[in-house]
Amino acid sequence: SQQGEEDPQALSIQEGENATMNCSYKTSINNLQWYRQNSGRGLVHLILIRSNEREKHSGRLRVTLDTSKKSSSLLITASRAADTASYFCATDLGGATNKLIFGTGTLLAVQP
Amino acid sequence: DAGITQSPRHKVTETGTPVTLRCHQTENHRYMYWYRQDPGHGLRLIHYSYGVKDTDKGEVSDGYSVSRSKTEDFLLTLESATSSQTSMYFCAISRTSGGAPETQYFGPGTRLLVL
Repeated sequence: SQQGEEDPQALSIQEGENATMNCSYKTSINNLQWYRQNSGRGLVHLILIRSNEREKHSGRLRVTLDTSKKSSSLLITASRAADTASYFCATDLGGATNKLIFGTGTLLAVQP
Repeated sequence: DAGITQSPRHKVTETGTPVTLRCHQTENHRYMYWYRQDPGHGLRLIHYSYGVKDTDKGEVSDGYSVSRSKTEDFLLTLESATSSQTSMYFCAISRTSGGAPETQYFGPGTRLLVL
C-alpha cells in the first residue's frame, strides 16, 4: 500500500499564483522528501525535511511537516510555466538503506 | 546530474524473453536502486544494492533479479518478460549525508514494452 498520498492529484493555476500540494503518510518517518518530474524524465530532488523540523525553505519552495498529523505540504510561490511537472513526496522510514516510499504524485500545470 | 546513465533507453521485447537493463554511475556511490513507474502507482522499489554483491528486495521484486559485480554497474534482469512488466524503469543512486544515505538522484529512465 502507498505510504504517501498526494492531494490534489492534479492542479491547474495561472502563472504568478501560488501552488500548494499536500502529502499524507501512514507510519513514522525519518525524513520526508519532495521530488519533481518533468514529463518523460527522471525525478529531481527538491527538498528534504527531517522529522524534527517543521518548516523548510528553498528559493520559491516552502515545505512544512506536521508529524502529529502525518502530513506535509509543498508550496511553490509565484509559479512559472516552467514549474509545470509532477511532484512526488517520498518518505524515508529510517534505517541504513535509504529506502524511499513514493506517493502517486500531483500533476501541476501552470498556464502562461 | 549524478553521472547516472541507463541503457537501453527504449526496449521492445516479446513475452517470455529475458531482458537486462543496465544502470551505470560514475561517482562511486554505494547505494543504488531500481524502481518501476506506472500510472496510478507512482514509483515502486524493485531491488536495491548497498554495495558490491550486496542486494536486497524491494516492494515489487517478483519476476526480477539484480546483480552488482562492480560499484559502478547495477543490472536489472527480467528472466522471462511478461506484459505486466511493461513499464518505465528508473535507476537511482543515494548520496550520503554524515555517512548515511539520504537523497536520491535518478537516471533518465528506460521505457520497456513487452508484447
